[in-house]
Amino acid sequence: EDKVVQSPLSLVVHEGDTVTLNCSYEVTNFRSLLWYKQEKKAPTFLFMLTSSGIEKKSGRLSSILDKKELSSILNITATQTGDSAIYLCAGPQGGSEKLVFGKGTKLTVNP
Amino acid sequence: DAGVTQSPTHLIKTRGQQVTLRCSPKSGHDTVSWYQQALGQGPQFIFQYYEEEERQRGNFPDRFSGHQFPNYSSELNVNALLLGDSALYLCASSFTGVGTDTQYFGPGTRLTVL
Repeated sequence: EDKVVQSPLSLVVHEGDTVTLNCSYEVTNFRSLLWYKQEKKAPTFLFMLTSSGIEKKSGRLSSILDKKELSSILNITATQTGDSAIYLCAGPQGGSEKLVFGKGTKLTVNP
Repeated sequence: DAGVTQSPTHLIKTRGQQVTLRCSPKSGHDTVSWYQQALGQGPQFIFQYYEEEERQRGNFPDRFSGHQFPNYSSELNVNALLLGDSALYLCASSFTGVGTDTQYFGPGTRLTVL
């Protein structure tokens, strides 16, 4: 069965630090990998990575896909307290549109 | 452009009761998926609706059922509620097509079963 594993499960940093969140995936018929940020309830979409788009960047956030290692990282530079959230990684299961999620990484940024 | 909306925001029920949750997809989207998120876990896929039919289903019992209407909105019904059904229920909408894996989530319905 398809599986997505995230690490670490939680992380506490100070404002201004740079963090790297990890996601490894075992999905059949890889098509894409998605990152979401969940603050209160609704996961909000950050990035989608595919074989043709292995790097994405938006402001202080960036993500890279390593298809060979079946993994992805999400980097956040110069962290702010507003970055405190749960970051979720997901992939569509084997050719379908069902998203399989990891447990998430809870990031806490202290002032 | 309205995003995905869900109602109600919160709901408290007792064991054995039935509940209906509602979802309106983002404008232009034709596919609705439902997820259950327990505390400390990632969302778990319940099922997906497209063209008013259930297209795919996760590992959830038949107590969980759904419906999609011609305007693409959707309902999730849960019968014979159990304590373990307490969770955040998320609706996600998307457009079925090539290169459209991105699903956009609504704010969720927090269901508490007592």
